[in-house]
Amino acid sequence: AQKVTQAQTEISVVEKEDVTLDCVYETRDTTYYLFWYKQPPSGELVFLIRRNSFDEQNEISGRYSWNFQKSTSSFNFTITASQVVDSAVYFCALSEGRYNFNKFYFGSGTKLNVKP
Amino acid sequence: SAVISQKPSRDICQRGTSLTIQCQVDSQVTMMFWYRQQPGQSLTLIATANQGSEATYESGFVIDKFPISRPNLTFSTLTVSNMSPEDSSIYLCSVERGGLSPEAFFGQGTRLTVV
Repeated sequence: AQKVTQAQTEISVVEKEDVTLDCVYETRDTTYYLFWYKQPPSGELVFLIRRNSFDEQNEISGRYSWNFQKSTSSFNFTITASQVVDSAVYFCALSEGRYNFNKFYFGSGTKLNVKP
Repeated sequence: SAVISQKPSRDICQRGTSLTIQCQVDSQVTMMFWYRQQPGQSLTLIATANQGSEATYESGFVIDKFPISRPNLTFSTLTVSNMSPEDSSIYLCSVERGGLSPEAFFGQGTRLTVV
């Protein structure tokens, strides 16, 4: 079974529209971390946010906001007033602790196209 | 944070040949990770590389196909052996910061095309 599911393969919006990227995760650990990474066309992975399993507070950073709901095992990402520079593939990831490292599981990614 | 340099950034290789990808980190790290990202797909962990011991491979990946070296705490190599077009992917090196604020840091990736 997938540990991290991003059901939206590709989304296209027009600049200034709001867009929400969905992420559903599955884990039996009580302590875990959730992440969002951005992969622009250049290919590098850019860290956006980390949440631990004990902190369900929503977070806002500029035009970005994240909604973490343990009850539905979801960690959704909203971009407000999208811009062309937001065009990228966005990955949701889950990290579970192991003996001496954290194992990361990545979703399949959502490709966001923001058109001018 | 960690700065990770990968070489080469891209290559086009003939089937049946091998390519060695280098990963250099700007600080000493215990563990390094190698991921594969097939076209349009997510990242899949290939193996975990500890300095001074054999790499630990994930299900579906074997040492004969993806031998890994880890000669010191700042460097690792991944070799893609006897390549076929199905090996065309982005290969990413990663290190992690553990503790209460874990994070994975990635190199810029190696875009491999096998013809």
